[in-house]
Amino acid sequence: GENVEQHPSTLSVQEGDSAVIKCTYSDSASNYFPWYKQELGKRPQLIIDIRSNVGEKKDQRIAVTLNKTAKHFSLHITETQPEDSAVYFCAALSYNQGGKLIFGQGTELSVKP
Amino acid sequence: SAVISQKPSRDICQRGTSLTIQCQVDSQVTMMFWYRQQPGQSLTLIATANQGSEATYESGFVIDKFPISRPNLTFSTLTVSNMSPEDSSIYLCSGMRESYNEQFFGPGTRLTVL
Repeated sequence: GENVEQHPSTLSVQEGDSAVIKCTYSDSASNYFPWYKQELGKRPQLIIDIRSNVGEKKDQRIAVTLNKTAKHFSLHITETQPEDSAVYFCAALSYNQGGKLIFGQGTELSVKP
Repeated sequence: SAVISQKPSRDICQRGTSLTIQCQVDSQVTMMFWYRQQPGQSLTLIATANQGSEATYESGFVIDKFPISRPNLTFSTLTVSNMSPEDSSIYLCSGMRESYNEQFFGPGTRLTVL
């Protein structure tokens, strides 16, 4: 089955700096890669996603890149703000595996003012 | 995306008892899932709730412990049976529309077993 590895587990940046979180996946059949942001005590919220036929996607300050050959994808947050502080989860989905989302271990991002 | 609600939002239960968690989606979804999230941990998939048939369980989860129902395309229940303190966790349901893949989550049920 699919396995998703996420690094780093914690990340601390200064406000205005960029943050990068990386994930690798094992199942070459995976074709959908979402990123979720989870604030303390809240539900995971989808912030951006990418499908396997696209190499990069951007939405304002956040972007995701996908390298299918290497089986890794990354989240990039530019001009970080204190409200970006949260736990971020990557995930991989293979519709051939019944549409199950397999999550990475999570990255706790702290943005210091 | 659809809106998902869960009931109860939290509960404190005695060991050996059972709790049923309800998940309601405001529009039809193709697939529904149940996850468990231990404090400070990632989400672990428990099972896929199949409409009108038995749920599909992930390794380490069994129907006798976590019976699941899904009578229609907008509702599902998860029961945590014969609870022990190790079952203390947050339980989340999610829904997905087949054509989009996007999964959206309910607010979770925080379960404490004494």
